[in-house]
Amino acid sequence: GAVVSQHPSWVICKSGTSVKIECRSLDFQATTMFWYRQFPKQSLMLMATSNEGSKATYEQGVEKDKFLINHASLTLSTLTVTSAHPEDSSFYICSAGGLGGGINEQFFGPGTRLTVL
Amino acid sequence: EDQVTQSPEALRLQEGESSSLNCSYTVSGLRGLFWYRQDPGKGPEFLFTLYSAGEEKEKERLKATLTKKESFLHITAPKPEDSATYLCAVQGLDSNYQLIWGAGTKLIIKP
Repeated sequence: GAVVSQHPSWVICKSGTSVKIECRSLDFQATTMFWYRQFPKQSLMLMATSNEGSKATYEQGVEKDKFLINHASLTLSTLTVTSAHPEDSSFYICSAGGLGGGINEQFFGPGTRLTVL
Repeated sequence: EDQVTQSPEALRLQEGESSSLNCSYTVSGLRGLFWYRQDPGKGPEFLFTLYSAGEEKEKERLKATLTKKESFLHITAPKPEDSATYLCAVQGLDSNYQLIWGAGTKLIIKP
């Protein structure tokens, strides 16, 4: 149980284009989903927290107009990197949490490697 | 300020050589402390949740313990496949299930 998928697993795009990453909880409903980015040899950096049906809460320094997050259902959240630039190249990971019933863990997807040329 | 510090940054062991990883934390009200394993190019894999001082959990060659200030991840007779980065995180009582992460310990087990 508690399986989270991400699509695509990797993407290469040209500078200026937009990229959408999907995060799905496959066997449970998640009231809260989290988006992280991770640079090589560094730990996870939380970008935003999204609750189903409401606007995402972004961490300080994360541009909400650049990283659009939609959490339309209890099993799907999307991250759109708009007008991507080479500095946006990173490993993006989503997680699902807030399962309730005393389950406080976050369960992570496999990650999406974004390379912007 | 809530904070998590992991040590050492990296640890190289021979296969079968037992050791421990440390996670020191400060948090205003602990909901839970979590251990994850992360392999290169993959998302973190959940290992354990610890809720209160004195609690211990085991899974195969791994055993996690918790005190009021730190947690240890003990690795007994490790194998090369245990090589990974081990991440520790805490969740505060007033958080929206958000986690405060340590920087991780990179464990390398040599055959």
